[in-house]
Amino acid sequence: KQEVTQIPAALSVPEGENLVLNCSFTDSAIYNLQWFRQDPGKGLTSLLLIQSSQREQTSGRLNASLDKSSGRSTLYIAASQPGDSATYLCAVYTGANSKLTFGKGITLSVRP
Amino acid sequence: SQTIHQWPATLVQPVGSPLSLECTVEGTSNPNLYWYRQAAGRGLQLLFYSIGIDQISSEVPQNLSASRPQDRQFILSSKKLLLSDSGFYLCAWSVGTVLTDTQYFGPGTRLTVL
Repeated sequence: KQEVTQIPAALSVPEGENLVLNCSFTDSAIYNLQWFRQDPGKGLTSLLLIQSSQREQTSGRLNASLDKSSGRSTLYIAASQPGDSATYLCAVYTGANSKLTFGKGITLSVRP
Repeated sequence: SQTIHQWPATLVQPVGSPLSLECTVEGTSNPNLYWYRQAAGRGLQLLFYSIGIDQISSEVPQNLSASRPQDRQFILSSKKLLLSDSGFYLCAWSVGTVLTDTQYFGPGTRLTVL
């Protein structure tokens, strides 16, 4: 059974800091890995999708990497801003019945 | 462009009462549809998914059910709510190949069972 872990559960940083959010998964037989953002009381927004054959994806100040063999992914946020404050969820797609398995998320607070 | 709607946005129901949450998608055809529940400290749990009308699979045993009366409409129901049914319910859709199959989420319904 696939399990996705995100540690720590919460993180607080000052504005302008570069930061890394970690994600690990137990079964390396994945088709892709995705990072989502969730604002309080809202739905999820897809940020980046890394296919299993890729090593990284970039969008603006965000860069996500994937090391499938070790079961790890990182989301790098450059020059963090208060508007980046949200919960960031990692999910892996195993292809079985189009199912995404999610981590519990990391709640990020960027202090002005 | 595609949009996804959920209603109601919030709901407070007594234990034992029925439930009906609705999700509709616009701007796409034959989407895959999903119901998730997000409870405090438990992460996002997939409840049901559907790859077409009358094709609904349940991921976990529970007192909830799902139906898909139309191609772009997905309904989550219960005959008798339990306290443990409280949570944030999210509907999502996807379409495409396995490699590019990201999911698009609705705004969610906050359900409180008292």
